[in-house]
Amino acid sequence: QVQLQESGPGLVKPSQTLSLTCTVSGGSISSGSYYWSWIRQPAGKGLEWIGRIYTSGSTNYNPSLKSRVTISVDTSKNQFSLKLSSVTAADTAVYYCARDRYDILTGNYYMDVWGKGTTVTVSS
Amino acid sequence: DIQMTQSPSSLSASVGDRVTITCRASQSISSYLNWYQQKPGKAPKLLIYAASSLQSGVPSRFSGSGSGTDFTLTISSLQPEDFATYYCQQSYSTRVTFGQGTRLEIK
Repeated sequence: QVQLQESGPGLVKPSQTLSLTCTVSGGSISSGSYYWSWIRQPAGKGLEWIGRIYTSGSTNYNPSLKSRVTISVDTSKNQFSLKLSSVTAADTAVYYCARDRYDILTGNYYMDVWGKGTTVTVSS
Repeated sequence: DIQMTQSPSSLSASVGDRVTITCRASQSISSYLNWYQQKPGKAPKLLIYAASSLQSGVPSRFSGSGSGTDFTLTISSLQPEDFATYYCQQSYSTRVTFGQGTRLEIK
């Protein structure tokens, strides 16, 4: 049973870089046809996809965040990470990591395993 | 980007009711459409993938249909634990997008 756990600072100052890590347990991050994704949710609002990474290192990013986002993977630690630079109060949210699974029968990707989420507040 | 629009934004219903939530894509996405349920303070949970495939462990009262631009999520007989917010998500594009959510409340 694969599980994901987000970790990182809960408070980040404006203009600084937000850094979060997602640790994968119960399975290898390198096995199977998966992307590893980051999603966020401001309080009381909907889900916003940030981006994802394949274990080969290939990435896709939300165009609205692309200039500030870097997602990387460390297969030796079974982790993937998010860096979001030049943060403002608008980046305050619950941040989730998720496994984006490829279904060979339908050709579809879907997020079948999620972390519990971590709250990040941007404030001085 | 592909825009996903859900309707209604909120919905009041009673236990036992049949409920339908609609999701419309701004362009054709074939069947690359997933549905999630989110309860307060919890991570989203996958319900339906590829428009109509039921995720393992999800009750059969949940069903999905549609292709192209128009999709529906149906709950055949609402249970108390179904009151939550529901999101659609397209995976047709490498730029993933979610609908704005539909909040299902108890009448």
